[in-house]
Amino acid sequence: DADVTQTPRNRITKTGKRIMLECSQTKGHDRMYWYRQDPGLGLQLIYYSFDVKDINKGEISDGYSVSRQAQAKFSLSLESAIPNQTALYFCATSSGGGELFFGEGSRLTVL
Amino acid sequence: LAKTTQPISMDSYEGQEVNITCSHNNIATNDYITWYQQFPSQGPRFIIQGYKTKVTNEVASLFIPADRKSSTLSLPRVSLSDTAVYYCLVGGRTNAGKSTFGDGTTLTVKP
Repeated sequence: DADVTQTPRNRITKTGKRIMLECSQTKGHDRMYWYRQDPGLGLQLIYYSFDVKDINKGEISDGYSVSRQAQAKFSLSLESAIPNQTALYFCATSSGGGELFFGEGSRLTVL
Repeated sequence: LAKTTQPISMDSYEGQEVNITCSHNNIATNDYITWYQQFPSQGPRFIIQGYKTKVTNEVASLFIPADRKSSTLSLPRVSLSDTAVYYCLVGGRTNAGKSTFGDGTTLTVKP
């Protein structure tokens, strides 16, 4: 089983719908991150959390929100999805030692 | 956060050594240099991390000159399976997830 699990792996939705992407990890790491990747480009940081009570905005947080339900769970929500949020979303964890561990990604299409 | 510059793409042939250089002129004293590999539709995977001089592991070497304004990832004897995008990140070790992903270098290995 993967150490960092993302659900769903693929999702197609319509403009205006609320969408939640979930991430769970078994690595015991305190730090969790959500990234967005557009085709042919690098990853952009959306939100990050260093522990359950800590939530921080990244480079592109507008239109997104997050919830850190437990040390192992970090969810990303799109309150009202729009087509330009169509992208590949990655969750990652870190122990603070410099290495990031990524999930397999969630592909979101907003029609 | 330090900005990085990498070549957009590189071609190589199986069995050759590949060197990918990253420029990071405004690297801070506490910053580390980390390289990731990403295959299509997968999350990036950690390759190597270093602070100065040379670091070597089972898959790659990382060369960092004394001024630390650049670094070179060296992949010995590449194979077709090394075809991927390679990202150079520069940032503090304790907040690795805040490091900026550039657009990376697309390495294509030919037979």
